[in-house]
Amino acid sequence: DTAVSQTPKYLVTQMGNDKSIKCEQNLGHDTMYWYKQDSKKFLKIMFSYNNKELIINETVPNRFSPKSPDKAHLNLHINSLELGDSAVYFCASSRESGYTFGSGTRLTVV
Amino acid sequence: DAKTTQPPSMDCAEGRAANLPCNHSTISGNEYVYWYRQIHSQGPQYIIHGLKNNETNEMASLIITEDRKSSTLILPHATLRDTAVYYCIASKTGATNKLIFGTGTLLAVQP
Repeated sequence: DTAVSQTPKYLVTQMGNDKSIKCEQNLGHDTMYWYKQDSKKFLKIMFSYNNKELIINETVPNRFSPKSPDKAHLNLHINSLELGDSAVYFCASSRESGYTFGSGTRLTVV
Repeated sequence: DAKTTQPPSMDCAEGRAANLPCNHSTISGNEYVYWYRQIHSQGPQYIIHGLKNNETNEMASLIITEDRKSSTLILPHATLRDTAVYYCIASKTGATNKLIFGTGTLLAVQP
């Protein structure tokens, strides 16, 4: 069983569209995260949720809206996609220490 | 969180030990040293972490200097599958803390 699973793995879409990426973890962790890795390979945190509550929002444009229906899921919805949103998005979860990352969603906006 | 400094790249021969250094001279007393790696096209993978004492697990050993200003990750017998970017991160634990990734060290294991 995959510990942190993201869907879809690849997403190609046109500018202006709205899309969602889903993340689920089966580790029983309390905290979940979204990270963005751009073309220069920098990994940057976007959001963090702890027990369904938003605790970190790293000045991400409000076109990005995370939603946590329960502590095992953290989805990312992106409105009005722009070319600069093209990146690999990683979901992760943790309890106290040691993050477990998903395998990433490669988003390409054309 | 304290800033860390790592060499941009290193080579290692297959089967030999890979020693990856990290400087964290401004680390605070309650910050741990974490090591992650990212193999091409995969998500980052947790390797090991420590506070003061040296640590060892099935993947690697972590040696932290007594003053905690630097550390070394040791992969005892590097294989080609260990080729990856290795990140050293100083961070506190807890839900409100976040891992801040730097540029890491690209370790290339050569056959």
